[in-house]
Amino acid sequence: SAVISQKPSRDICQRGTSLTIQCQVDSQVTMMFWYRQQPGQSLTLIATANQGSEATYESGFVIDKFPISRPNLTFSTLTVSNMSPEDSSIYLCSVEPLFEAFFGQGTRLTVV
Amino acid sequence: GIQVEQSPPDLILQEGANSTLRCNFSDSVNNLQWFHQNPWGQLINLFYIPSGTKQNGRLSATTVATERYSLLYISSSQTTDSGVYFCAVSFDRGSTLGRLYFGRGTQLTVWP
Repeated sequence: SAVISQKPSRDICQRGTSLTIQCQVDSQVTMMFWYRQQPGQSLTLIATANQGSEATYESGFVIDKFPISRPNLTFSTLTVSNMSPEDSSIYLCSVEPLFEAFFGQGTRLTVV
Repeated sequence: GIQVEQSPPDLILQEGANSTLRCNFSDSVNNLQWFHQNPWGQLINLFYIPSGTKQNGRLSATTVATERYSLLYISSSQTTDSGVYFCAVSFDRGSTLGRLYFGRGTQLTVWP
């Protein structure tokens, strides 16, 4: 299993600002995944982050809007840039140390 | 594309009742997981079950990979079982390695 600490758990932000979400894993993992869950919807993958390389983004998500860092095998950050109310969602990070996926507690973001 | 369909979308039960949630998927999968999302947005791992049957207390799950479906059984439901139940699948090949594809979820409400 894996234990993931995700911060912040929630935030209310002004439009036009940026928020950085952090995920810390208790073990080394090759890949980390970032998901978005819009209100009342299912989870959608934003990007996959490998240590030492650029993140791979899914269709509809771009690096300028969602820059990701992966400085080592236990840590990653996702930034939501130039926020608008449409960015209000739950953001979750995930790892799969041995096929089974584990998630952080999620960050509930509200943009006003 | 890959489809993950969950049914029913909504389920309302009296405390003590039993229920069955279904997940159909459109392609051969290596991994399948069931999650419970609590009211705070956190995803709780219920089962990692790419095939076969598992039981954990009042919950059990069965995946028939050859027929591309999985079932989640909840017996003697309690109010704390309320929330959204997600099925998610992943494939161990190519660019999709490790990422999860989620169904739309089943919203379960258990009344006392």
